[in-house]
Amino acid sequence: AQSVAQPEDQVNVAEGNPLTVKCTYSVSGNPYLFWYVQYPNRGLQFLLKYITGDNLVKGSYGFEAEFNKSQTSFHLKKPSALVSDSALYFCAVTRNSGYALNFGKGTSLLVTP
Amino acid sequence: EAGVVQSPRYKIIEKKQPVAFWCNPISGHNTLYWYRQNLGQGPELLIRYENEEAVDDSQLPKDRFSAERLKGVDSTLKIQPAELGDSAVYLCASSLQGVTEAFFGQGTRLTVV
Repeated sequence: AQSVAQPEDQVNVAEGNPLTVKCTYSVSGNPYLFWYVQYPNRGLQFLLKYITGDNLVKGSYGFEAEFNKSQTSFHLKKPSALVSDSALYFCAVTRNSGYALNFGKGTSLLVTP
Repeated sequence: EAGVVQSPRYKIIEKKQPVAFWCNPISGHNTLYWYRQNLGQGPELLIRYENEEAVDDSQLPKDRFSAERLKGVDSTLKIQPAELGDSAVYLCASSLQGVTEAFFGQGTRLTVV
C-alpha cells in the first residue's frame, strides 16, 4: 500500500518570504510523487511530479519540489511567496503509471501581505 | 482544449433519494477516475476506468454506489439511496493511459439532508 503524510494542517508565510509545504511518503518500490493545488470551489490543479531523474523538480507558478529518498520526503517549495498562492495543497503518491493517486489530507497555505 | 467537465456543480437531496453525477473527460483520455473528497480531507478513489472497463472499484461501496462508462468516454456515478454520510465533493479526473498525472474537473458538491 502507498500513502503520504502532510504533517501541517496550515502553513503561514509573509509575502516575499520562501515557503515550504512538507510531505513524506510510504510506498513499496519506486514512488511516483505529485503536488496539486486546490483553490476555493475549484478542482485540483496539477503543479508538478517526480518520476525519476533529477531530485529537484520544477513546476507551475514558480513552485518546485525536492525528492529525498533517504528521508522519504517530497517537500514543496517556492523562493518567494505571493498572496495569490494561498490555497490548499495536496501531496499524492502512486507506485506505477496509470494507477490512481493516493492523496494526503492537504495543507492550507496562507500568504499574508 | 476543454478540461474535464462535470455536472451538476451542486446538488441537494433528501436522504434515501437517488442522485447521479456526470463526467466528460478530456478528449482522448482513456483513463477516468471518480474520487470523493470529504470536508478537510484529500480525495479518495472510488473507481478507476481504463476505457470502458472498471479496473479498480475496490473502494466503491457497491451496495449503494454504481458507475458506468459505456462507450469509454463519459461516465455516470450514481448513489441509490443516498445517506447523510454521502455528503461530499465528488471529483472526476482523467489521464492518458500510462501517464501518471490526472486532470480534475471542478467537482459536484453533494449535500444530503
